[in-house]
Amino acid sequence: EPEVTQTPSHQVTQMGQEVILRCVPISNHLYFYWYRQILGQKVEFLVSFYNNEISEKSEIFDDQFSVERPDGSNFTLKIRSTKLEDSAMYFCASMGQGAFGELFFGEGSRLTVL
Amino acid sequence: KQEVTQIPAALSVPEGENLVLNCSFTDSAIYNLQWFRQDPGKGLTSLLLIQSSQREQTSGRLNASLDKSSGRSTLYIAASQPGDSATYLCAVPRGGTSYGKLTFGQGTILTVHP
Repeated sequence: EPEVTQTPSHQVTQMGQEVILRCVPISNHLYFYWYRQILGQKVEFLVSFYNNEISEKSEIFDDQFSVERPDGSNFTLKIRSTKLEDSAMYFCASMGQGAFGELFFGEGSRLTVL
Repeated sequence: KQEVTQIPAALSVPEGENLVLNCSFTDSAIYNLQWFRQDPGKGLTSLLLIQSSQREQTSGRLNASLDKSSGRSTLYIAASQPGDSATYLCAVPRGGTSYGKLTFGQGTILTVHP
């Protein structure tokens, strides 16, 4: 069964360092998303991406965040200068054309900022 | 602003019981509602997607109903098993054509005892 894959599964970094989280969405999907979940809190939307550009972003997604689809398969989230409060589980999700809104999520990348 | 609430926050039952998880949302103008399962430290697995025009969806021992007008959905799990132990999340799109921009509830933590 097709699945969304994410790497790394866990990353530990020092405050101020740059982090890139990688995702391989389901191959024929066209809509891509990043969500995050701070420990003990709700899953929250960060950004959506379609047709090689950001279609929507939340107030959390400030200038230190960026997303990119560098080739036909990968979808990345970059955090330019990490803060302690960026520690969270980051989930990538994708949706197919005509899927009527069903999202498929990856296993997540746990980011720990020290 | 859409708010999603899930009741109860936690539920502990003996194996074999039928159980109901509740989800309510404040803005009834939704396109669909999706139920997910999350195992500890893991990603989100889509269980059921109910379109706004549907009243219910079934998958195996799971049945989800949707009452848009009252802003409620229930997830019914029949003959619960220890393997059903997980956190169950419901989520709705934020509106407009933002199918993938979901607002999540805080989840119901389910524990099924052997």
